[in-house]
Amino acid sequence: IAGITQAPTSQILAAGRRMTLRCTQDMRHNAMYWYRQDLGLGLRLIHYSNTAGTTGKGEVPDGYSVSRANTDDFPLTLASAVPSQTSVYFCASSDTTSGGNEQFFGPGTRLTVL
Amino acid sequence: GQNIDQPTEMTATEGAIVQINCTYQTSGFNGLFWYQQHAGEAPTFLSYNVLDGLEEKGRFSSFLSRSKGYSYLLLKELQMKDSASYLCASMDSNYQLIWGAGTKLIIKP
Repeated sequence: IAGITQAPTSQILAAGRRMTLRCTQDMRHNAMYWYRQDLGLGLRLIHYSNTAGTTGKGEVPDGYSVSRANTDDFPLTLASAVPSQTSVYFCASSDTTSGGNEQFFGPGTRLTVL
Repeated sequence: GQNIDQPTEMTATEGAIVQINCTYQTSGFNGLFWYQQHAGEAPTFLSYNVLDGLEEKGRFSSFLSRSKGYSYLLLKELQMKDSASYLCASMDSNYQLIWGAGTKLIIKP
């Protein structure tokens, strides 16, 4: 089934630990995104990638890093987790090469940092 | 600065019509999106407007006025399954989406 998968579904993490959230899409979309969603706030862009091999910083990049080694995978790493990174994380992708701007979202990862 | 405003919560009756408003202010403009998000789930695409006017898609319609920085989502013949949050997002000059906090729509029988 075409789409975006994320892992894990949820995670409880001790502060200071390193954590990688995984995201894989099989739609061959060129662009991928990581958002966090917090209660009362809109989705906020953490990092993005317009094509394999390139990444860019979004609105709230501090404390996070990404890589885009190939078209399908876009992992998000928290080097040393802090409680303020407790959030729901969504990965998304879009095919901007064909002029489409619609973003397709994965099911999300609920992360709690204690 | 960049800003998207939409009401926090709205209540409507099953079978009725509801209009959810959104005003936006972004650096450049490349279109206005509406997404639906059920509790605990991912956002799903509803509509995209880049030109002024009304776009109709079944029970849902979306309107855009670029000169006013204004959009609305119109939902007709409301069903209980329409209870969800509706997210407004403006695409800026860098083709990044700037999101509103969402409008939680509660449908009552």
